[in-house]
Amino acid sequence: QSVLTQPPSASGTPGQRVTISCSGSSSNIGSNPVDWYQQLPGTAPRLLIYSHNQRPSGVPDRFSASKSGTSASLAISGLQSEDEADYYCAAWDDSLNGLWVFGGGTKLTVL
Amino acid sequence: QVQLVQSGAEVKKPGASVKVSCKASGYTFSGSPMHWVRQAPGQGLEWMGWINGDNAGYSPKFQGRVSITRDTFATTVYMDLSSLRSEDTAVYYCVKSGGEYWGQGTLVTVSS
Repeated sequence: QSVLTQPPSASGTPGQRVTISCSGSSSNIGSNPVDWYQQLPGTAPRLLIYSHNQRPSGVPDRFSASKSGTSASLAISGLQSEDEADYYCAAWDDSLNGLWVFGGGTKLTVL
Repeated sequence: QVQLVQSGAEVKKPGASVKVSCKASGYTFSGSPMHWVRQAPGQGLEWMGWINGDNAGYSPKFQGRVSITRDTFATTVYMDLSSLRSEDTAVYYCVKSGGEYWGQGTLVTVSS
């Protein structure tokens, strides 16, 4: 099982706002920034959000993120069919000598 | 532009080793750590380790079986995984520190 916990699935209709949660601990989300990735089938993950709520160039502002304590969430507003993908949260974990930990992924279906 | 180009797919027998390369270009290679992440079929992302300068760090899960090295002159990072088993069948990605740039992935299949 993954160090960070995400719901396995989420869904929404076009135009709707959906959120995906990510739960961790004090050694990862509680003390480090959270990144979010989108992965379309057969492709490498794409960075959506870094350092809590920064978007790389080209990522629409429909994607936003927040963090509170040891939990984080990704919000997608104005849902579009092309948003159907797997989403992963990630954070550095300060335990041991440090390691990069991921959530198990959330499959988002656009109904 | 930043590019990470990985070596091609591999088929290995159980117990063998595999070495995957990641050729980097478009940025200052020596100044940026590199991670390796793998994804088994239908599964999530799993961090294996990273190299930062001449120092490498590994996930406890792979400690003793994985080795990450780099050739600064060739701007290439290598990931060696030994004692392969069927559960190591996965796509292996190199990822530039920061997470914005990923290699295209290398499928490693372990089968007798």
